[in-house]
Amino acid sequence: AQRVTQPEKLLSVFKGAPVELKCNYSYSGSPELFWYVQYSRQRLQLLLRHISRESIKGFTADLNKGETSFHLKKPFAQEEDSAMYYCALPTSGTYKYIFGTGTRLKVLA
Amino acid sequence: KAGVTQTPRYLIKTRGQQVTLSCSPISGHRSVSWYQQTPGQGLQFLFEYFSETQRNKGNFPGRFSGRQFSNSRSEMNVSTLELGDSALYLCASSGGLAGVGEQYFGPGTRLTVT
Repeated sequence: AQRVTQPEKLLSVFKGAPVELKCNYSYSGSPELFWYVQYSRQRLQLLLRHISRESIKGFTADLNKGETSFHLKKPFAQEEDSAMYYCALPTSGTYKYIFGTGTRLKVLA
Repeated sequence: KAGVTQTPRYLIKTRGQQVTLSCSPISGHRSVSWYQQTPGQGLQFLFEYFSETQRNKGNFPGRFSGRQFSNSRSEMNVSTLELGDSALYLCASSGGLAGVGEQYFGPGTRLTVT
C-alpha cells in the first residue's frame, strides 16, 4: 500500500542547531515527493519538491530510494522555521496526494 | 494573482443536516482537490475535479460528493452529517495539466457538527 510516514509529531531544536525532519514512504514505482509547510495562521504551502532539487529557505531534501526516505534538512535552524511540516506523495502521477501526519518543528531561542 | 478562496470559513451544523462548501481556485487553474484535515487522521484526500469531471476519488462514503463548474469553481457537499465529520476542509487548486505540480491551498472551512 502507498503510505507516507512521519515518525515524529514534535521536534524541538535550539536556534542555530541542525534540523532533520524524517519522511519515509512506501510506493511501487518512481515517486515524486513534496514537502509542504504551514506557518502559524497561514495556509499550507509548498516548501520544496524533490525533482526541482532546489534549496528553499535553506532547506534541502534528498530522495533516497534505497531507504525509501525523503528527509528534510537544514544546517542551522531559525526561529521563523517553527511550523508544521508535511511530507506528501502524489499517487500514480495524479493529484491524489497522500500526506504524512506532519511534524511540528519548534525552534527555541 | 488572487489565491484560493473558500467560503464559508466557519460553519456549525447539527447531526443529520447537510452542508455545502465552496472553493474558488486561482484564475486559470483547472484542477481542484478537496481534503479533510482532522487531528487524528491528518490530511486525507477526498476527491479531485478537472474540467468539471471527477478525476480522482479518496476513500470516503458516498455522503461526500462534489462538483465543479465551467469556471472551475468547485463545491463539496456532505449529506446526513455525523459528529465525525467535524474537521477542517481544505481545497487546493493547480494547473492540472500533464504531470503533477504544486497545489495551492485555501484557508479552509472549519465545520463543526453538534
